[in-house]
Amino acid sequence: AQSVTQPDIHITVSEGASLELRCNYSYGATPYLFWYVQSPGQGLQLLLKYFSGDTLVQGIKGFEAEFKRSQSSFNLRKPSVHWSDAAEYFCAVGDFNKFYFGSGTKLNVKP
Amino acid sequence: DVKVTQSSRYLVKRTGEKVFLECVQDMDHENMFWYRQDPGLGLRLIYFSYDVKMKEKGDIPEGYSVSREKKERFSLILESASTNQTSMYLCASSFDRGTYEQYFGPGTRLTVT
Repeated sequence: AQSVTQPDIHITVSEGASLELRCNYSYGATPYLFWYVQSPGQGLQLLLKYFSGDTLVQGIKGFEAEFKRSQSSFNLRKPSVHWSDAAEYFCAVGDFNKFYFGSGTKLNVKP
Repeated sequence: DVKVTQSSRYLVKRTGEKVFLECVQDMDHENMFWYRQDPGLGLRLIYFSYDVKMKEKGDIPEGYSVSREKKERFSLILESASTNQTSMYLCASSFDRGTYEQYFGPGTRLTVT
């Protein structure tokens, strides 16, 4: 069965530091992978997506993610975090019309 | 820009009431979805619809029903609200069949007392 695991519930980083949010998935075929961000009280906004091709994908707000098939991972990275990046981040696997979401990682940013 | 709107941001209802949550999208998307979001559980799919008058159960349909009479509108119905349905409800839409990104509304925080 399809599933997505985000092992870190909360992460705190200092402003300006680098960030990596982990995502592991279980899926029987080539996955369609997504990262979404949710600011407090808001809906989800798409950061980036991977369908095929180059395994390093660029997204909005300076985020990137790397697909590693051998590790079943799709980790999200940002070289320098800004205070406005404080939010909750969700990884998802798309299976035709259905998405499977991870439980989310809450990012706190220290000044 | 795709816009998905939900009728209420906050809603308080009593146990046993019938509750309607409305969602409208303006991009002529075929697919529409209802999720509930609970801390530590991520998003769980309640129902989705890939065409007018068509619906399919998601992972947690019990206690819910849906209606899609027009392409742009997808309603979630709680026939008899219970306290365990207190949650954040998110509506989303996407293009035709296939795995396209979903666009989300701002959510409705429902409290059942």
